[in-house]
Amino acid sequence: GAGVSQSPSNKVTEKGKDVELRCDPISGHTALYWYRQSLGQGLEFLIYFQGNSAPDKSGLPSDRFSAERTGGSVSTLTIQRTQQEDSAVYLCASSLAVPNIQYFGAGTRLSVL
Amino acid sequence: AQRVTQPEKLLSVFKGAPVELKCNYSYSGSPELFWYVQYSRQRLQLLLRHISRESIKGFTADLNKGETSFHLKKPFAQEEDSAMYYCALSGPGTASKLTFGTGTRLQVTL
Repeated sequence: GAGVSQSPSNKVTEKGKDVELRCDPISGHTALYWYRQSLGQGLEFLIYFQGNSAPDKSGLPSDRFSAERTGGSVSTLTIQRTQQEDSAVYLCASSLAVPNIQYFGAGTRLSVL
Repeated sequence: AQRVTQPEKLLSVFKGAPVELKCNYSYSGSPELFWYVQYSRQRLQLLLRHISRESIKGFTADLNKGETSFHLKKPFAQEEDSAMYYCALSGPGTASKLTFGTGTRLQVTL
């Protein structure tokens, strides 16, 4: 079956613009995660959804970052007023509640000029 | 706070040599431990998890609670093992975030 799908695969934007990143999880997976992979920082957790609610938003770096999930499926990560330090690969993963095996998408590479 | 430490950024070994990728963790309680691998131009994928106690592609990892370690081992490295390896942990049981180490690049040369 289809894996986790992320779009766009690449996004180049200017500093100060808003961007939206999309994640389509594996069908039936109730849990959805966003991570960020940047040079020198490794993989950082951003936010986790169980269904449409987000019990753990502890990794969002600032209030410029937000995410939502609708219909227990697709999720959108929004970054407002992008900064150069937001440049990274944003990864989405999904899993069943149990077992917690997370399947990753190919990521969106965000470049803020 | 939970933390995963992978002390080596790069590990270079010859084909046929044994491999050990180190991972130490800090967690209050009983975490689940994982190894994820990212081959060139491919997405991050699960290699193995400690609960399964299985060998995948010849790799094994044993959870040592006394030393809080979960080192990844393979007796004979192959060229196709060259990749980025990440150790990760999560809370036990239900879905929860993964905390990753910074990763170790394994380079297997002839």
